[in-house]
Amino acid sequence: GNSVTQMEGPVTLSEEAFLTINCTYTATGYPSLFWYVQYPGEGLQLLLKATKADDKGSNKGFEATYRKETTSFHLEKGSVQVSDSAVYFCALSDDQAGTALIFGKGTTLSVSS
Amino acid sequence: GAVVSQHPSRVICKSGTSVKIECRSLDFQATTMFWYRQFPKQSLMLMATSNEGSKATYEQGVEKDKFLINHASLTLSTLTVTSAHPEDSSFYICSARKNPGTDQVATNEKLFFGSGTQLSVL
Repeated sequence: GNSVTQMEGPVTLSEEAFLTINCTYTATGYPSLFWYVQYPGEGLQLLLKATKADDKGSNKGFEATYRKETTSFHLEKGSVQVSDSAVYFCALSDDQAGTALIFGKGTTLSVSS
Repeated sequence: GAVVSQHPSRVICKSGTSVKIECRSLDFQATTMFWYRQFPKQSLMLMATSNEGSKATYEQGVEKDKFLINHASLTLSTLTVTSAHPEDSSFYICSARKNPGTDQVATNEKLFFGSGTQLSVL
């Protein structure tokens, strides 16, 4: 079945450091891929998405490229800020089947000034 | 933007009692809503898919008689944890898939989440 594997956290960085959070997936067909962010005390928010191979999703300085050959969708940001501290979830969706999102375990990012 | 309100955000109850959690889409209609459960340091696990006007579809291993789901309108789904026990203590999150426009297909690109409910059963 479909699944998502995310790197274990927590990830602790200093402000302006480079961020990478790894995400790989297993899926039949051609899923859409997502990154969600959960700030303390809030619900999950869609951060970025990619719907087909080689697509790059980007938002708020974050980027992720849909790599079919490596079944990956790694999240990157060139310079993190304290306000980026949150939990990040990688997820996939098989929209043709109309099924729910499948999530990774989440990675906690803590950025200090 | 689309807002999903989940209530209550936190509830503490005694073992054996029932707890109802509400999930409302405030500014859009959602034929389909999803209920997830999240344990500390674990992924969100899908419990059930709720469709307005029909019975919910439960994932394998989820007791439908224990986790009652009602989706009576296009803006409200409820999850009732019946006869709660300490092992039911968890973080429950709902999400609502926004109904598409005419001639469009609903996708998970239009999926919006509530802020979750922390249930503690004593």
